[in-house]
Amino acid sequence: NAGVMQNPRHLVRRRGQEARLRCSPMKGHSHVYWYRQLPEEGLKFMVYLQKENIIDESGMPKERFSAEFPKEGPSILRIQQVVRGDSAAYFCASSPPAQGPYEQYFGPGTRLTVT
Amino acid sequence: GENVGLHLPTLSVQEGDNSIINCAYSNSASDYFIWYKQESGKGPQFIIDIRSNMDKRQGQRVTVLLNKTVKHLSLQIAATQPGDSAVYFCAENMPGGSNYKLTFGKGTLLTVNP
Repeated sequence: NAGVMQNPRHLVRRRGQEARLRCSPMKGHSHVYWYRQLPEEGLKFMVYLQKENIIDESGMPKERFSAEFPKEGPSILRIQQVVRGDSAAYFCASSPPAQGPYEQYFGPGTRLTVT
Repeated sequence: GENVGLHLPTLSVQEGDNSIINCAYSNSASDYFIWYKQESGKGPQFIIDIRSNMDKRQGQRVTVLLNKTVKHLSLQIAATQPGDSAVYFCAENMPGGSNYKLTFGKGTLLTVNP
């Protein structure tokens, strides 16, 4: 059973470009969470999604950031018109509905660098 | 010891010693806590969890202690090995509707010397 998959692992974008980060949850998991991590800091919650629904996006910046989890395919975190301050590691986690949302399994992350 | 600013608290131990990593959590109403291990360049890995109705839980070589009176959590690692070198985060879940949202601490860097 493969774990949470994220791609790309590293992404370099110039200011003003768009970044698309993908997350495939563990098999059987229907809850996806996105977190952002700045160097030497803990992870900060961004958004919680279930299939085709955004449940909580309270941690996501109001502008330029969006997330989706379609019926088919991976969850996508999209950052439009990236700025240097968006440079960070972005982690996706998933959890199975049967066990409740508490125990979250993390992917390896996407390290975004904005030049 | 504890550091301030941008530097992570660090703990350096000898291989074979026991390690104790501490965490002060923020919300007295939090009812669920997790310890994660994060190796360089990787995502956080679940180690052990504990609910607020318990004060101790043991796993394989790890023990988590919860002191709700002072809002303190600790992770004890027995017979620390070089492979335990990583950053360790505690995370808390605050009740009140959003029972999925984990709030992470800053982390502690554990270095195991062979």
